[in-house]
Amino acid sequence: AQSVTQPDIHITVSEGASLELRCNYSYGATPYLFWYVQSPGQGLQLLLKYFSGDTLVQGIKGFEAEFKRSQSSFNLRKPSVHWSDAAEYFCAVGGNQGGKLIFGQGTELSVKP
Amino acid sequence: KAGVTQTPRYLIKTRGQQVTLSCSPISGHRSVSWYQQTPGQGLQFLFEYFSETQRNKGNFPGRFSGRQFSNSRSEMNVSTLELGDSALYLCASSLAQGSQSGYTFGSGTRLTVV
Repeated sequence: AQSVTQPDIHITVSEGASLELRCNYSYGATPYLFWYVQSPGQGLQLLLKYFSGDTLVQGIKGFEAEFKRSQSSFNLRKPSVHWSDAAEYFCAVGGNQGGKLIFGQGTELSVKP
Repeated sequence: KAGVTQTPRYLIKTRGQQVTLSCSPISGHRSVSWYQQTPGQGLQFLFEYFSETQRNKGNFPGRFSGRQFSNSRSEMNVSTLELGDSALYLCASSLAQGSQSGYTFGSGTRLTVV
């Protein structure tokens, strides 16, 4: 079955601290992986994506993610969190057979001053 | 470059009514996908249209339908509304069919069924 698991529903970090959001996926074909961020009442903004090649992907706003095929993981990282990073983060997987993305349940990030 | 435009932003409907939501993709994008977002079920895929044809469909009842026009604009329709249809409906556009093109989402239409 195709699925995405984000084990952490809610994470709180202090401003300036590092961040890692976990994502594990199950997908039968070659996965295309995405991280999106959503602020309250807004749509989804793409942070980064992985299709192939270098397994460490750089995105916007200082985020990066590492694809580990052996662990079926695509964890999102940021070395120093800013208060404006507080939002909900979604990991998603898709393939090249169609436009369907499968999303995880999301991780809500709170940032302490 | 204009983003994905969804109208209206907010909508309140009564049970049993029907509703039509609109999505204008980024200029040049030919694929439009629709998602439903609820607190309980999260983000769920409704359907995808490419070149005016439905290419992919999620696991939703037949009350949910959509279409795409020759200019790539898309509409989705929900008939006989139920309270459980209250959700944020998101539209995403991409250059071509398939995930590799990447998806840009609109801000969504918040539907409340009373």
